[in-house]
Amino acid sequence: NAGVTQTPKFRILKIGQSMTLQCAQDMNHNYMYWYRQDPGMGLKLIYYSVGAGITDKGEVPNGYNVSRSTTEDFPLRLELAAPSQTSVYFCASGMIARPYEQYFGPGTRLTVT
Amino acid sequence: EDKVVQSPLSLVVHEGDTVTLNCSYEVTNFRSLLWYKQEKKAPTFLFMLTSSGIEKKSGRLSSILDKKELFSILNITATQTGDSAIYLCAVETLNYGGSQGNLIFGKGTKLSVKP
Repeated sequence: NAGVTQTPKFRILKIGQSMTLQCAQDMNHNYMYWYRQDPGMGLKLIYYSVGAGITDKGEVPNGYNVSRSTTEDFPLRLELAAPSQTSVYFCASGMIARPYEQYFGPGTRLTVT
Repeated sequence: EDKVVQSPLSLVVHEGDTVTLNCSYEVTNFRSLLWYKQEKKAPTFLFMLTSSGIEKKSGRLSSILDKKELFSILNITATQTGDSAIYLCAVETLNYGGSQGNLIFGKGTKLSVKP
């Protein structure tokens, strides 16, 4: 199993550009999450999904969108990138039985200039 | 507002020392408290605690929860250089639509273990 994979690993965006962060898991987990981690801060939940076709907002959803058309994939879309979105983005997944035991991807380091 | 506070924010010790990391929380709809270890990249799961007073142990790491005083501690005995990492405390809540598994993270404690 590859676990949770994320692409790209690094990206530099100009203000106003858009991009999609990819996340995929091969563990057949129903739950998937997107977090951002700013320097010296804990992870903050952006969006989550409890299954294909079901998504919902977390603590900091503004400026982002998600979709979940399959169990495996959970892409995060940034529209009109802003410097405040400079962060490390982590995708995670979890089982229905143990959703708290989240498996994290390696992260995407995004810089918006 | 829900919050999770960890202390200290950073800690430097020598190999063989014992360390105690603290996590206090104020959240509505508490479900469980988690500890994660974050080395160079992604956090990895250590413990989940739901009941007060029951110690969870894994090798040299142990953790306990006090639901009355709203805190948890993570102990690491006989520390090794490989224990150097950021230790994240998170609280699982039933907020954000009542779904399970939604975590609120603290800022983490950066532990550095010197040889």
